[in-house]
Amino acid sequence: GQQLNQSPQSMFIQEGEDVSMNCTSSSIFNTWLWYKQEPGEGPVLLIALYKAGELTSNGRLTAQFGITRKDSFLNISASIPSDVGIYFCAGQPPDSNYQLIWGAGTKLIIKP
Amino acid sequence: NAGVTQTPKFRVLKTGQSMTLLCAQDMNHEYMYWYRQDPGMGLRLIHYSVGEGTTAKGEVPDGYNVSRLKKQNFLLGLESAAPSQTSVYFCASNDRGNEEPQHFGDGTRLSIL
Repeated sequence: GQQLNQSPQSMFIQEGEDVSMNCTSSSIFNTWLWYKQEPGEGPVLLIALYKAGELTSNGRLTAQFGITRKDSFLNISASIPSDVGIYFCAGQPPDSNYQLIWGAGTKLIIKP
Repeated sequence: NAGVTQTPKFRVLKTGQSMTLLCAQDMNHEYMYWYRQDPGMGLRLIHYSVGEGTTAKGEVPDGYNVSRLKKQNFLLGLESAAPSQTSVYFCASNDRGNEEPQHFGDGTRLSIL
């Protein structure tokens, strides 16, 4: 089946640093989604990307839908303590109207 | 602003016991989903529903059953719980399949002893 490789698995950063994470696949996707999950809660949508090459921002977050449709990245600028959490990418395969393929997540930890 | 509500939030079961997890959404969404989340893995789809009275198997359906008798509710049942079903279960919903992002509940943490 299709798989997403999300990296890095975890990141230890200083407050104020920029963060970058990405997802890659051997298959193409029609949509890329980026979610954030905090402890005890469900994933919350951050950014949705619907077209190859699309670059979208949401405050300090920027995500891009790769031109090959096989990858996506998420950048966070000037990280703050509330950015801590697990970030997930999810991709929609072309042949399904409901299915999402999920990455394993990137855990963001901010060093005190 | 309830959105997607899951009950219970926590439960501990013994092997072989049965239980039902309830998901309720107040957004009048057509599509509803049940996922499980295990450490170090992405969410995996158990079952989904594209409308009231319909259900379909996802990626990991074995050992689970579902029902969608009312549009706003999606029930996940474990008939005979096994330790391998220890997980965090998430329900999600949206209105037009992958044309719009899924909205998630806060999860049910289930431990099977």
